[in-house]
Amino acid sequence: DAKTTQPPSMDCAEGRAANLPCNHSTISGNEYVYWYRQIHSQGPQYIIHGLKNNETNEMASLIITEDRKSSTLILPHATLRDTAVYYCIVRQPFSGSARQLTFGSGTQLTVLP
Amino acid sequence: NAGVTQTPKFQVLKTGQSMTLQCAQDMNHEYMSWYRQDPGMGLRLIHYSVGAGITDQGEVPNGYNVSRSTTEDFPLRLLSAAPSQTSVYFCASSNRQGYTFGSGTRLTVV
Repeated sequence: DAKTTQPPSMDCAEGRAANLPCNHSTISGNEYVYWYRQIHSQGPQYIIHGLKNNETNEMASLIITEDRKSSTLILPHATLRDTAVYYCIVRQPFSGSARQLTFGSGTQLTVLP
Repeated sequence: NAGVTQTPKFQVLKTGQSMTLQCAQDMNHEYMSWYRQDPGMGLRLIHYSVGAGITDQGEVPNGYNVSRSTTEDFPLRLLSAAPSQTSVYFCASSNRQGYTFGSGTRLTVV
């Protein structure tokens, strides 16, 4: 799995968009970008994933640069419940031993009232 | 659906005791895995299974055993607990859509 780099912490005002960056300059052509988050003491929660096109679901949007070396997770209207550690993971989807997730240290997002 | 169910939620063991952490999923996922998370750190893979009867080691397997006799269950056994195994343990199951994690077992070894 390609290595990822995320800022250790970020703050965001409640109701504003939270933009969480991730660098993955060594990503290979068949690797996807996945985002998970972990709210304090809970198990990680899947948010979104993508290969090269921008993706949107009910939780967030994922913007991947054209060269795929970086991406941004966007929470459009952050709430206090979005305070969590956000993990950016780059990996091949489900091919034998590549199925395990490799977690880095993530970004601690704090949404401020 | 219950998703991934882990029991117990909390456990205190004495050094040298053995125990089994239970994990069950009702989503018919082939792939299941166990992670541990130490304070302030990310998750590290202990063992995983790609289907019933098949298991393999992850990043930190020492001191742990697993088995996968059914698709639904993937128990993690601590053979002789050590203080270094004090951690929060998460079980996960997955398909092509992503991973679903349990709520965790907080284990303290004294």
